[in-house]
Formats: sequence, C-alpha cells, structure tokens
Amino acid sequence: EDQVTQSPEALRLQEGESSSLNCSYTVSGLRGLFWYRQDPGKGPEFLFTLYSAGEEKEKERLKATLTKKESFLHITAPKPEDSATYLCAVQIGNYGGATNKLIFGTGTLLAVQP
Amino acid sequence: GAGVSQTPSNKVTEKGKYVELRCDPISGHTALYWYRQSLGQGPEFLIYFQGTGAADDSGLPNDRFFAVRPEGSVSTLKIQRTERGDSAVYLCASSLVAGRSYNEQFFGPGTRLTVL
Repeated sequence: EDQVTQSPEALRLQEGESSSLNCSYTVSGLRGLFWYRQDPGKGPEFLFTLYSAGEEKEKERLKATLTKKESFLHITAPKPEDSATYLCAVQIGNYGGATNKLIFGTGTLLAVQP
Repeated sequence: GAGVSQTPSNKVTEKGKYVELRCDPISGHTALYWYRQSLGQGPEFLIYFQGTGAADDSGLPNDRFFAVRPEGSVSTLKIQRTERGDSAVYLCASSLVAGRSYNEQFFGPGTRLTVL
C-alpha cells in the first residue's frame, strides 16, 4: 500500500534555531515528491517538487532534499512567519496520465517562537 | 493572476440534504482535482479531471458523491443525502499540464462543509 509518513507531528523552535522535517514514503512508481505549506484556514501553498534521488531545491530559508526512501525539509534560521503546517505529498502513476493524484502525509505543525 | 477560487467558503447543512460545492481553476489549467481534508489530517484525493472527463474517481467514498466539469473549466462537487461524517474542508486544485512529470497542483482556499 502506498504510504507517506511525516515526522515529527509537531515541532517548536526558537527563532534562529535550524532544524529538519522528515517525510518517508513507501510507494510504487514515484513520479514526484511535493512540499506544501498550509496556514490555518487556508489551502496548501506549493513550495517544491523533487523528481529524483539526490535532487535539492531551495527557497529563502527552506531547502528540500530527496533520497530513494525519504525527503527532508531543512529550515535554516527560521522566523516566526515560518510557523505553519508543512505537508509532504507523493505523486504516483504512469506517464500516460492515468492519474496524477497526490498522496499526502499528515503534516508537521511548526511553531517558531520569537 | 487569479488563483483557484472556491465557493462557498463555508456551508452548513442538515443531515440528509443535498449540497453543491464549486471550483474555478486557474485560467488555462487543464487538470482539476478535488480533495477532502479532515482536522489534523492531510488532504485525501477524491477525483481528478483532465478536460471534461473524470480521469480518476477512485477516491470518491461512495455513490453519494459526484463531480462534473461540463466545459472543461469550472467544476462542481455534488453530495447527496449528506451525513455528519461528510463534514470536512473540501479543497480544489488545478495544474497546467497533466500526464507529464512536472505538474504542480495549486490549491484553492477550500470550502468548509459542516453537516449538523
């Protein structure tokens, strides 16, 4: 069964205290791994897509990496405005376009205190 | 440009009633998705449209749920005989290109459905 697991469930950091969020997956035929940020009462906001092991992408204080079994979202010197739930999702299916659905983890709730 | 929009933002209904939730995708996006998110959970896939046709409806929980996209743009998710367990946030997403590797899905703000 295709599965995505995120850890920790919740993380509290002091401003400037760097850390990493984990997303491990067990899927058949990974096409892509996606990171989203979700603020309370809003829809998920797209951050990154990673397609192959060894790939890395950066955006401001965030850096996403991918291996064959997991992805990490590294947060460097976080600020209070980085507080949100971070969701990881995998896309499976063949390249014929039969399905493009995303399978999400339950998310990591990040709180950055000033 | 405008993002994905969803209406209404909130819907309160009584058990047994029929509801319709609307999604306006980003202009030019051919693929449209519906997800459902319960409190403390990640979004759960319901159905995916490529153009006007449902390419994958494997996530629809039962035959009370139905979705249409008649002109390949706006989509409506329809729920018949609502149950309290249907209460959740219903999210819509769209993407520019389907069937290729890079098709990031952009989400709307969601419709919060409460069934009393």
